[in-house]
Amino acid sequence: NAGVMQNPRHLVRRRGQEARLRCSPMKGHSHVYWYRQLPEEGLKFMVYLQKENIIDESGMPKERFSAEFPKEGPSILRIQQVVRGDSAAYFCASSPEKDTSYEQYFGPGTRLTVT
Amino acid sequence: GESVGLHLPTLSVQEGDNSIINCAYSNSASDYFIWYKQESGKGPQFIIDIRSNMDKRQGQRVTVLLNKTVKHLSLQIAATQPGDSAVYFCAEIRSGGSNYKLTFGKGTLLTVNP
Repeated sequence: NAGVMQNPRHLVRRRGQEARLRCSPMKGHSHVYWYRQLPEEGLKFMVYLQKENIIDESGMPKERFSAEFPKEGPSILRIQQVVRGDSAAYFCASSPEKDTSYEQYFGPGTRLTVT
Repeated sequence: GESVGLHLPTLSVQEGDNSIINCAYSNSASDYFIWYKQESGKGPQFIIDIRSNMDKRQGQRVTVLLNKTVKHLSLQIAATQPGDSAVYFCAEIRSGGSNYKLTFGKGTLLTVNP
């Protein structure tokens, strides 16, 4: 059973470009969470999605960031017009379709570097 | 021993010793706590969890203690091995509507010396 998959693992973008980060949840999981981690800090919640629905995006910056989890395909975290401060590791986690959604399984992360 | 640096707290132990990693949480409404291990370049890996109606839970070589009075959580690792070297995070979940949002602590870097 494959775990949570994220790609790319490393992404370099110049200021002003767009970054697209992909996350495929574990098989059978329909809940996806995105977290951001700055160097030497803990992960910070960004957004929680279920298939075709954004449940909570309270941790997302109001501008330039968006997320989706379509009916088919991976979840996408999109950052438009990246700035140096967006450089971080972005982790996706998934949980199964059940009430005990406390269990979140993390992917390996995408390390975004903005030059 | 344990020291708090400018950034990440660090703990250095000898192989075979027991390790204790501490975490203070702030939200008294949290009702579920998890310890994660994060190795360099990888995502967090679940170690052990505990609900707020418990004060102790044991796993394989690990024990989590919860003191709600002082809002303190600790992770004890028995017979620490070099493979235990990693950053350890505690995370909490608050009950109620947003009971899926993990709030992570700052983390502690554990280094195991052979």
